Amino acid sequence: NAGVTQTPKFQVLKTGQSMTLQCAQDMNHEYMSWYRQDPGMGLRLIHYSVGAGITDQGEVPNGYNVSRSTTEDFPLRLLSAAPSQTSVYFCASSPGGGRAPGELFFGEGSRLTVL
Amino acid sequence: DQQVKQNSPSLSVQEGRISILNCDYTNSMFDYFLWYKKYPAEGPTFLISISSIKDKNEDGRFTVFLNKSAKHLSLHIVPSQPGDSAVYFCAASGGDSNYQLIWGAGTKLIIKP
Repeated sequence: NAGVTQTPKFQVLKTGQSMTLQCAQDMNHEYMSWYRQDPGMGLRLIHYSVGAGITDQGEVPNGYNVSRSTTEDFPLRLLSAAPSQTSVYFCASSPGGGRAPGELFFGEGSRLTVL
Repeated sequence: DQQVKQNSPSLSVQEGRISILNCDYTNSMFDYFLWYKKYPAEGPTFLISISSIKDKNEDGRFTVFLNKSAKHLSLHIVPSQPGDSAVYFCAASGGDSNYQLIWGAGTKLIIKP
């Protein structure tokens, strides 16, 4: 019963490096999203997708790219990492089908440090 | 501008007593509210939700109250148990945030034995 799986769990990058955070879900959920969590702040939405082939920007999209080629996978790409992107990243999915994402199912998180 | 605010960063409650966590919002278009619970090194997990057409929703020990005129919601946990020690987030959607949840900063609940 995997649910939402994120990899890697930890990553250290140097400024300017690129990387991809992987997210996969096995619940056939239409809606998937990426959040970042910083100390003293709530989760902030980076990008989301309401179905394969459809993506849209959230609250803090700058510096990040996403794609949704399949229902299961929703990778998050950092093209040129900056120290401001040091954060804990969460992928979440939801059955969707409605206007609001409703109850979200989260992965365990990926802690990224950019030096 | 924070649209969802949890003004108490932490709350300490005796085991067996009632825990009350508060959340305020500013966007009158929000019409769906959720509470999530988060343990360290884990992702948030859904706890309970409420639609704006209701003013109360109950699930076991957890009850959420919504006061639309005050733009305020609260989560009551009765009785509080040690396993309830976690960070609690409220989140809201609606209006321009149709496909997005807007989150509060969280309240760390500590249940004392």
